[in-house]
Amino acid sequence: DAKTTQPPSMDCAEGRAANLPCNHSTISGNEYVYWYRQIHSQGPQYIIHGLKNNETNEMASLIITEDRKSSTLILPHATLRDTAVYYCIVRGENSGGSNYKLTFGKGTLLTVNP
Amino acid sequence: GAVVSQHPSRVICKSGTSVKIECRSLDFQATTMFWYRQFPKQSLMLMATSNEGSKATYEQGVEKDKFLINHASLTLSTLTVTSAHPEDSSFYICSAKRSTAQHFGDGTRLSIL
Repeated sequence: DAKTTQPPSMDCAEGRAANLPCNHSTISGNEYVYWYRQIHSQGPQYIIHGLKNNETNEMASLIITEDRKSSTLILPHATLRDTAVYYCIVRGENSGGSNYKLTFGKGTLLTVNP
Repeated sequence: GAVVSQHPSRVICKSGTSVKIECRSLDFQATTMFWYRQFPKQSLMLMATSNEGSKATYEQGVEKDKFLINHASLTLSTLTVTSAHPEDSSFYICSAKRSTAQHFGDGTRLSIL
């Protein structure tokens, strides 16, 4: 699976959009970009994932560049409860078994300030 | 709501005790589950892949005789930390794949005195 690079920390004001970048310059054609977040002392929470097209759900939007070498997770209206470590993970969608495992990097600690 | 349930959420026990942690998929079948460990201020590290009806696959450096994994049904995987010692104190987290994403339990904080 391709390696990802994220800034170690970011700050955002409550109510503003939080834009979290991720570089994955070695991503291959069949690899998806996944985003998870981990609030302190809890298990990771799935946010969103995508392959080529931009994606949006009730939690966030995922913008993937045309060359797929980077992406941005957007939380449109950040709240204090969005303070967490956000992980960007690239993984292939091969069939079954251990190919589904996720490799976590250090992620980005997003702190939403009042 | 939660799709993966993990129990217990916290365990405190004496050195030498064996501890069992359960991971259940709720309302879906999971032929494969994963066990992670997370030390303070570090990221999650995969320990092993739990396969229903067959032996678990352990990551390099993880002692299979110390961390026993049983995946006896399509909705339950258990991790037993045998003869636990203080260095085994950590946050243990399981996950299961449903549809196109993995979903995680809330973790078990294990403290060995």
